This record gives sequence, C-alpha cells and structure tokens, in this order.
Amino acid sequence: DAGVTQSPTHLIKTRGQHVTLRCSPISGHKSVSWYQQVLGQGPQFIFQYYEKEERGRGNFPDRFSARQFPNYSSELNVNALLLGDSALYLCASSLVPWTGTGNTIYFGEGSWLTVV
Amino acid sequence: DQQVKQNSPSLSVQEGRISILNCDYTNSMFDYFLWYKKYPAEGPTFLISISSIKDKNEDGRFTVFLNKSAKHLSLHIVPSQPGDSAVYFCAASAAGTASKLTFGTGTRLQVTL
Repeated sequence: DAGVTQSPTHLIKTRGQHVTLRCSPISGHKSVSWYQQVLGQGPQFIFQYYEKEERGRGNFPDRFSARQFPNYSSELNVNALLLGDSALYLCASSLVPWTGTGNTIYFGEGSWLTVV
Repeated sequence: DQQVKQNSPSLSVQEGRISILNCDYTNSMFDYFLWYKKYPAEGPTFLISISSIKDKNEDGRFTVFLNKSAKHLSLHIVPSQPGDSAVYFCAASAAGTASKLTFGTGTRLQVTL
C-alpha cells in the first residue's frame, strides 16, 4: 500500500510568490495534518483537516491556508512568501483526528521549499 | 515557549549497547506521547507511543518510560544497531486538541561499530 505521498518534493520560489503543496493520505485515512520543519527544529503544527473541515490550526499567519478534498487529499497554500518560510513541509495522515493507541499518525517524506 | 524539550542534541553509543534518549515536557494537559525517528531526506517514521495511563510500553528493542510526576519520558533502545543512527523526535498531544502533535527539537543518535 502506498504511504503518504507529497508533491512536489523540492521547489524554489521567490519572495512574494505563492506556493501550493499537495498531499495524498494513506488509503482509508480521513485526517490530514500539515507541519512545518525548519532546520534544527522539530516539526510545528500548521493545520489539521478531517472530513474536509478544519479541526485545528497552529500559530501561523493568515498567509497559510489549506483545504481537504472529497477524496481526502489536501493542499497547503502559502501566499506572499517570505525567506523565513523556507522549510520542509510535512503532511501526516491518520484514520481519525485524535491521538491514541491504534491511530498511528504517518508522515510523508515532505516538500522542501526554498524561498530566495 | 518550548513545551517539549529534548536537551541532548546528540548522542553517540556503541553498537550492542543501550541508547537512552530523554524528553521533558511542561504542559500537564499532554496525555499521549510518541517517538518518531527521522533519516535525512525522509519524513518522520513512527516508533512507539505511550498513553498517560501507563508508565511503560515495550515493542521489540524499543521501550518508552513515562514519569508523569517528573513530566519526563525516555526511549530505550536495546541493543543499539548501526541502522538506528538517525534523529529521534519526542512528540506529545493533549486530549481535545485533535491529533496536533507538539514536537521536541530532536536528538541525533549515532551508533558506532
């Protein structure tokens, strides 16, 4: 079975531009979360979606937005890119939108975004 | 405000010995804890988890211990193998916060021959 897939794997954008990152969860998983990992830090929670509804939002500016589609795939959009947005963006999927035994949260390999 | 702390940025252990990775947390609402392993250019891979109603969980070579009163957890790897060399992240979540994970900054484990 395919794991969490993300695209693109690497991209370079210029300050002020917009970026869209995509994620396909594991088949059967309805919950998708997005995390940002900057160099030397742990991943930071950005959003969680379940059944196409936003279930959680981290401490990120409104330039960050996301959505989930009927097939449970998801997009993360970042507007007006800043140099500080350069990071690894990770997508995670799980069966249900809460933690607990039996509900493992799986991560994709991430999308490396460089803003120049 | 770093709610999950991994104070050792790196650890070197000989093959066959025990690796002990530590994690401290400050938020008393955290009730579920996880360890992830990350190789360069890959996403984090789930290793083991523990609920706050337990103080120990074991899975093969990996054991996680939770000391709620000290707000401390540790991951023991026995015996350590060269393939265990990676960055290990401790993460925590609180009931009612969906599956939002709060991660530590990671500990780089190197297992030497």
